[in-house]
Amino acid sequence: EVQLLESGGGLVQPGGSLRLSCAASGFTFSNYAMTWVRQAPGKGLEWVSAISGSGENTYHADSVKGRFTISRDNSKNTLWLQMNSLRVEDTAVYYCAKGVDSAWSHWGQGTLVTVSS
Amino acid sequence: DIHMTQSPSSLSASVGDRVTITCQASQDIINYLNWYQQKPGKAPKLLIYDASNLETGVPSRFSGSGSGTDFTFTISSLQPEDIATYYCQQYHNLPPTFGQGTKLEIK
Repeated sequence: EVQLLESGGGLVQPGGSLRLSCAASGFTFSNYAMTWVRQAPGKGLEWVSAISGSGENTYHADSVKGRFTISRDNSKNTLWLQMNSLRVEDTAVYYCAKGVDSAWSHWGQGTLVTVSS
Repeated sequence: DIHMTQSPSSLSASVGDRVTITCQASQDIINYLNWYQQKPGKAPKLLIYDASNLETGVPSRFSGSGSGTDFTFTISSLQPEDIATYYCQQYHNLPPTFGQGTKLEIK
């Protein structure tokens, strides 16, 4: 059974940093690209970042480019999202999902990031 | 970026009703279109992939159609457990983009 478990969310001040993790199990992690999607409180879904299965290729939304970095360790079946220079508008539930250029049939439960002073 | 226009933004219907949601892409996305259901406090759940394919385990009252720029999502007979917000999503181009969502309520 595919499982994705996010962690690392919390309260951080504007300008601060946070690193989210997504622990994957139940599939061959290195064979799949992975994605981060976020949802601000009461708002819709927004794609944030993606990474190829090997980790060689990464992609970020314009809204986070230069501030967020996606990475992975295939030996640990773990995906990360390093978030720097956080802004109030980055407040959201962050989900990891399996895949990029396909349907996302597996999602984690989400982790809440709150950026506030 | 490809813009996805989803309508309506909210919808109130009775149990047993046929419900239809539309999604229009700002350019041709062939059939690279998925539909998700999201209940409060939960992650989105894939219902339809590649415009018209029912995800395994999803009830057959859910269906999707369309190609190019115009797509339709249908619930043939609304059930109480279908109360949720529904999103379309294209993956023809990066970045993947979502419609703004349709909040479905029971009348």
